Amino acid sequence: KAGVTQTPRYLIKTRGQQVTLSCSPISGHRSVSWYQQTPGQGLQFLFEYFSETQRNKGNFPGRFSGRQFSNSRSEMNVSTLELGDSALYLCASSLLAYQETQYFGPGTRLLVL
Amino acid sequence: KNQVEQSPQSLIILEGKNCTLQCNYTVSPFSNLRWYKQDTGRGPVSLTIMTFSENTKSNGRYTATLDADTKQSSLHITASQLSDSASYICVVSAWASGTYKYIFGTGTRLKVLA
Repeated sequence: KAGVTQTPRYLIKTRGQQVTLSCSPISGHRSVSWYQQTPGQGLQFLFEYFSETQRNKGNFPGRFSGRQFSNSRSEMNVSTLELGDSALYLCASSLLAYQETQYFGPGTRLLVL
Repeated sequence: KNQVEQSPQSLIILEGKNCTLQCNYTVSPFSNLRWYKQDTGRGPVSLTIMTFSENTKSNGRYTATLDADTKQSSLHITASQLSDSASYICVVSAWASGTYKYIFGTGTRLKVLA
C-alpha cells in the first residue's frame, strides 16, 4: 500500500506570492491533517479535513486555507506569503480521526525569500 | 495554559544502552497522548497512542508509560540501535467545545553512537 505522498517536495517563493501544496492520503483513509514545522516553533497543527469538511482548525491566520476533495486528496493554500511561512509542511492521514494512528508524508519544504 | 514539556532536549547514548525520555503536560481536558519518532528530513512516525485509562503501551523496543494523575509520560527505549537516532516528539490532545486541540512538545533529539 502506498504511503502518504506530498507534492512538491521543495518550493521556493517570494514574499507576497501564494502557494498551493498537495497531499494524497493512503488509500482508504478519509481524514487528512496538515501541520507546520519550524525550528523555532516546532510542530503546529493547521487543520484537519474529513469527508471534504474541515473538522478542526489550529491557531493560524486566514491566509492559510485548505480543502479536501471527494477522493480524500487535500490541498492547502497560503496566500500573501511572509518570510515566517518558511517551514516544512506535513500532511498526515488516518482512517477516521482523533484516536487513530496518523501516517505522515515526507513533507513539503517551503522557502520564502 | 496548555503546555507540553519534554526533557532532556538532547541525549547521546552508546549503542545497546537503554534510555528514557520524559514528557510532562498541563493539558486539560486530556484526551490522548502520542509519541512520534522523526528522522531528519522525514515526516514523524507514530510510536504509541495512549488514552486516559492506559498506563503502558509497547511497540517493539519502545515502551511508553502514562501517569494521568501526575500528568507525566515517559518513553523508554531498550537496547538502543543506531537507527534510533532521531527526534522524539510528545503530543497531547485535549477535547473541548466539540473539537480537538493538539499541543506539541519541542522534542528530544537522541543520538546513538557506535
